[in-house]
Amino acid sequence: AQSVTQLDSQVPVFEEAPVELRCNYSSSVSVYLFWYVQYPNQGLQLLLKYLSGSTLVKGINGFEAEFNKSQTSFHLRKPSVHISDTAEYFCAVSEGTSGSRLTFGEGTQLTVNP
Amino acid sequence: SAVISQKPSRDICQRGTSLTIQCQVDSQVTMMFWYRQQPGQSLTLIATANQGSEATYESGFVIDKFPISRPNLTFSTLTVSNMSPEDSSIYLCSVLWDSRSHGEAFFGQGTRLTVV
Repeated sequence: AQSVTQLDSQVPVFEEAPVELRCNYSSSVSVYLFWYVQYPNQGLQLLLKYLSGSTLVKGINGFEAEFNKSQTSFHLRKPSVHISDTAEYFCAVSEGTSGSRLTFGEGTQLTVNP
Repeated sequence: SAVISQKPSRDICQRGTSLTIQCQVDSQVTMMFWYRQQPGQSLTLIATANQGSEATYESGFVIDKFPISRPNLTFSTLTVSNMSPEDSSIYLCSVLWDSRSHGEAFFGQGTRLTVV
């Protein structure tokens, strides 16, 4: 069975600082990896995804993530954050065998302060 | 991407009653799912809504409590039955466009349910 661990429940940063949100997964088969963002009182929006190919993937709003198979990680990064990036971020995985069912991490609340 | 509409967006219900949540997509999709997000927590998959047949429930969720319908490829409903305060959550509809989507799901805005 697959599982996802987001190592930080809350990450406070100052505006224009870099940020990294950490995500580790466990699975016995090949996986597809995703980061979703949830703004207050809204549904989830897909930030980026890794399906295959280049391990560095770029998403919307200047975010990127790197798939590291040996460390089973998929950390999310942004070189300079804005106040508008304040939101909950979820890492998710689906296994190659199921291809559709998502398992979510517990979420990381990113708070960007002026 | 297509538009996923959930209704109602929020509701406050009395314990012991039932609430039906609707999810409408403006184009045909392969798969539809229902998730629950309890306060301050992550998303948990309730079930996969299968078109024209019974939903597939995850461990810990049963049809009597969460009956689901999916009469066609663009519409599904989730009913939360005999509600208790523990059912207070956000309920989210999610869709996959085709079988090659590999979990790249899209979500509705959610239904925020409070049971009093």
